[in-house]
Amino acid sequence: KNEVEQSPQNLTAQEGEFITINCSYSVGISALHWLQQHPGGGIVSLFMLSSGKKKHGRLIATINIQEKHSSLHITASHPRDSAVYICAVNSYTDKLIFGTGTRLQVFP
Amino acid sequence: GAGVSQSPSNKVTEKGKDVELRCDPISGHTALYWYRQSLGQGLEFLIYFQGNSAPDKSGLPSDRFSAERTGGSVSTLTIQRTQQEDSAVYLCASSLARVEQFFGPGTRLTVL
Repeated sequence: KNEVEQSPQNLTAQEGEFITINCSYSVGISALHWLQQHPGGGIVSLFMLSSGKKKHGRLIATINIQEKHSSLHITASHPRDSAVYICAVNSYTDKLIFGTGTRLQVFP
Repeated sequence: GAGVSQSPSNKVTEKGKDVELRCDPISGHTALYWYRQSLGQGLEFLIYFQGNSAPDKSGLPSDRFSAERTGGSVSTLTIQRTQQEDSAVYLCASSLARVEQFFGPGTRLTVL
């Protein structure tokens, strides 16, 4: 069993839909990251969380430390949101442990 | 520079040759990380530097892989006697300790 599990693996949506991607982890962490990888391969850090909730534009990330679970929400989705979204956790040695990613396609 | 840079962007090599991949972190970032993403696979951790020392080398897949960091800045990942299974995108990231990591564009390595 992977230490970081994401669901769903693949997700398609119509433009404007509300999207949720889930992440569960089984190890002790100091922080959780949500990353975005576009088809060209570049990775951008969206959020780093250690508790509660963060919002940036149409993106919202939440974490529940007790339940070892995080969600990434995208409101009013747009085709440019199409990408792979990766959950990763900071172990106590600072290295990142990655989930397998969620491939999102948003159609106009 | 403005972000993390890596060179070369693409490298094609023959099986058995040695390769060196370079990472220039964001100026002032004390932590530097190497990751690998094989075709169709997820990201995997290779090695982490804090300053010039590597407290965690647990992800290096074999003794053919080594990395160094000099002057608390540039890092080089060396793969000796490359094998076809080494083909992947090698990503570098840097950060101030225990905060957001900034990723470079990666080096795509193809071993023929």
